[in-house]
Amino acid sequence: GQSLEQPSEVTAVEGAIVQINCTYQTSGFYGLSWYQQHDGGAPTFLSYNALDGLEETGRFSSFLSRSDSYGYLLLQELQMKDSASYFCAVRMDTGRRALTFGSGTRLQVQP
Amino acid sequence: DAGVIQSPRHEVTEMGQEVTLRCKPISGHDYLFWYRQTMMRGLELLIYFNNNVPIDDSGMPEDRFSAKMPNASFSTLKIQPSEPRDSAVYFCASSTLFTGTHNTGELFFGEGSRLTVL
Repeated sequence: GQSLEQPSEVTAVEGAIVQINCTYQTSGFYGLSWYQQHDGGAPTFLSYNALDGLEETGRFSSFLSRSDSYGYLLLQELQMKDSASYFCAVRMDTGRRALTFGSGTRLQVQP
Repeated sequence: DAGVIQSPRHEVTEMGQEVTLRCKPISGHDYLFWYRQTMMRGLELLIYFNNNVPIDDSGMPEDRFSAKMPNASFSTLKIQPSEPRDSAVYFCASSTLFTGTHNTGELFFGEGSRLTVL
């Protein structure tokens, strides 16, 4: 089986930096993705890591350590609109396209 | 592109009734996924298709659930008979092998169908 662990809630203020961690245990591993979901909305893709290291996309960065089965999403210059749930998701192997999602981290950005 | 289109957006029904949820994936995408989201269980994969063929249905809760993909542009998820514990948001997502210049495996989600079974 597989399991992903991420904090249930994180609170930060506008302009700050926040890091959302994700640890995973899977029988196979191909890559780690991050998705954002606003209340009442659909999950939308943020980033993907297949190799160790940092991927940067604007204010968002994602990091992966395959040896530690660990990744994180870094959000910089927080804005109120970043208040949402953030999910890490594991892709098991190259032949399996489906993702297994973590339980999500609810981020609340305060003024 | 219109994105993944799901219908209905909201469905309220009574226990025992049949429910059919519909999905139109993004044109050209050859993978289609059905996920269910609840507070208790999060986002769960129910079933996914590749080129209209079911690849993995191990997440389908029980025989009351069935999914079909008769062609590349349409899929249905049917619950018969429905039960209150089926109340959830059901998401359809589609994907293709390559998105942009990198094989990110990005899933494109529809807006979901919120099902309430009384």
